[in-house]
Amino acid sequence: RKEVEQDPGPFNVPEGATVAFNCTYSNSASQSFFWYRQDCRKEPKLLMSVYSSGNEDGRFTAQLNRASQYISLLIRDSKLSDSATYLCVVFVGTGGFKTIFGAGTRLFVKA
Amino acid sequence: DGGITQSPKYLFRKEGQNVTLSCEQNLNHDAMYWYRQDPGQGLRLIYYSQIVNDFQKGDIAEGYSVSREKKESFPLTVTSAQKNPTAFYLCASQGTLGTGELFFGEGSRLTVL
Repeated sequence: RKEVEQDPGPFNVPEGATVAFNCTYSNSASQSFFWYRQDCRKEPKLLMSVYSSGNEDGRFTAQLNRASQYISLLIRDSKLSDSATYLCVVFVGTGGFKTIFGAGTRLFVKA
Repeated sequence: DGGITQSPKYLFRKEGQNVTLSCEQNLNHDAMYWYRQDPGQGLRLIYYSQIVNDFQKGDIAEGYSVSREKKESFPLTVTSAQKNPTAFYLCASQGTLGTGELFFGEGSRLTVL
């Protein structure tokens, strides 16, 4: 089993749709959680950190459920420019440093 | 502007040759990392460095070597011992190991002919 697993995708949605990405992690010692965005053939860039209380940044909402070891990202009112791969990232600090990237979920937003 | 610079952006190499990828940052970050990305896969950690003159193996260090002689620089050498070196290589830095945002360079795409 992979340490960080994401929806395989791709997701194909029309503009204006709401889309949700899911991510699960296996290490209960995981400490920090992030969503990164990666455009085709480019480097990843931080989209948002994920906190237990949930956090929102404009059209983007991230949630963390530590009991279920589950992270989500919700995008409302999708734009064409949201088309990208979304990477779930988990940092485990116990027993040695480890930042683990999920394989990513590709999103295509169509006009 | 502060950031991370990787070079070269594209590199072609013949089998059996070593190649060194450059990574320079002017963010005054202590931690630096090298990742490898293959199509349809997540990033895999090759090496990381917490401070100058110190570095640790990641999950896939075999066939790679690094050095950290200066805070700003963390070059990666892909040796001939790396059996499948064709990939997209990403360098990243972070203020403190494991804390906060990872800043990535634009990546180096290595193709072995």
